[in-house]
Amino acid sequence: ELKVEQNPLFLSMQEGKNYTIYCNYSTTSDRLYWYRQDPGKSLESLFVLLSNGAVKQEGRLMASLDTKARLSTLHITAAVHDLSATYFCAVDDDSNYKLTFGKGTLLTVNP
Amino acid sequence: EPEVTQTPSHQVTQMGQEVILRCVPISNHLYFYWYRQILGQKVEFLVSFYNNEISEKSEIFDDQFSVERPDGSNFTLKIRSTKLEDSAMYFCASRRTVNQPQHFGDGTRLSIL
Repeated sequence: ELKVEQNPLFLSMQEGKNYTIYCNYSTTSDRLYWYRQDPGKSLESLFVLLSNGAVKQEGRLMASLDTKARLSTLHITAAVHDLSATYFCAVDDDSNYKLTFGKGTLLTVNP
Repeated sequence: EPEVTQTPSHQVTQMGQEVILRCVPISNHLYFYWYRQILGQKVEFLVSFYNNEISEKSEIFDDQFSVERPDGSNFTLKIRSTKLEDSAMYFCASRRTVNQPQHFGDGTRLSIL
C-alpha cells in the first residue's frame, strides 16, 4: 500500500521567513502533485512534478522532486499572510488511477 | 477556465436514507474520481472511473456505494443507506490525461443525522 508522509503537520511561521515542507512516499511513482486548501474550500492545484529532478516555482513557492529518494519538498520564501492554508502532497500510484494524499501541512503565517 | 461543478454544496440526510451526489466534470476530461475528506483529516480516495467503468476502488467504497455516468456530462456518486460515519466532504475530480493534475470541484458537504 502506497504511503505518503508529510512533515511538519503544523507550521507556524513569521512573515518574511523561509521554510520547507517535506513529502516522503513509499512507491516508485514519478508523478507528484502539490495542492493548496483554504478552510472549507476545495483543492487548488499548485504544482505538477512528473520526473526526477523536476523543479517548479510560482511566486514564493518552489517545489522539487527527487524520485530516487522518494522525496518532494515545498519551499516557502519570505512568507506572507496570504500563504496561510493547508498544503497537501499527493502521489499517483502505478496504475495512475488514484491519488494518495499526505495528511497535509497546516501553515499559519503570522505578521 | 473550465471547472468541475458539484451539487448540492450541502446535503443533510437522515441515517439509512439514500443520497446522490452530482458532479459535472470538465468537458474534455476522460478520467473521473470521487474522494472524501472527513473534517480535519486527509483526503481519501474512493473510486476512479475511466472508459465507462470503474478503474479502481478503495476499501471504503463498499456495496453501499455506486457511481454512474448516465450521460455525456454527469458523474454521480450514490450511497444507498447512509451511516453516521459517511458524514464528510465529498470531492469529485477529473483530468484529461494521466500526466495532468486532477481538477477538483468545490465539494459536497454531507451531514448524516
